[in-house]
Amino acid sequence: QKEVEQNSGPLSVPEGAIASLNCTYSDRGSQSFFWYRQYSGKSPELIMFIYSNGDKEDGRFTAQLNKASQYVSLLIRDSQPSDSATYLCAVNPSGSARQLTFGSGTQLTVLP
Amino acid sequence: GAGVSQSPSNKVTEKGKDVELRCDPISGHTALYWYRQRLGQGLEFLIYFQGNSAPDKSGLPSDRFSAERTGESVSTLTIQRTQQEDSAVYLCASSLSGTAYGYTFGSGTRLTVV
Repeated sequence: QKEVEQNSGPLSVPEGAIASLNCTYSDRGSQSFFWYRQYSGKSPELIMFIYSNGDKEDGRFTAQLNKASQYVSLLIRDSQPSDSATYLCAVNPSGSARQLTFGSGTQLTVLP
Repeated sequence: GAGVSQSPSNKVTEKGKDVELRCDPISGHTALYWYRQRLGQGLEFLIYFQGNSAPDKSGLPSDRFSAERTGESVSTLTIQRTQQEDSAVYLCASSLSGTAYGYTFGSGTRLTVV
């Protein structure tokens, strides 16, 4: 079983819609969770992190964490074509200050 | 520097040759990571350095791979006797200390073994 699972997509949404990206993880002791955006041919860029159950909002982005269900999601409101990218979920297993474990990413396309 | 700097940005090498990839982390970042990303795939952890502690080499795929870092400065990843399956983008990342706030990635080195 993969430690961090994401639907590979591709996920297509129309411009202005809400894009919902989901991630599940296997290590129940995981403490911190990250969303990275990776444009084609570029390196990953950190867009949000969340530690506590509930929602965390930053502009058009909302991260949601449910530790009981071992589930973290990213919502993008008012999606723009410039949001088209692969979104990587990353987890810090068991709160260790070592390496993050990444999912394989979800490819998002926002259609104009 | 302002960001994580990697060189070269692209490297084409013949099968069997050795290659050396370089990473210059953000100044003051004690943690440094190397990841590999094959085309269309996720990020595969290779090695982690934290200050002067012994590195975590658990992700290195074979003994052809090695990495060094002197203190909290530049790191080099060396691949000996390259194989075609080594073709990938090699990403370096650094962070202030561990993973508490995520890391900052460099722009990567695209390695092609022909």
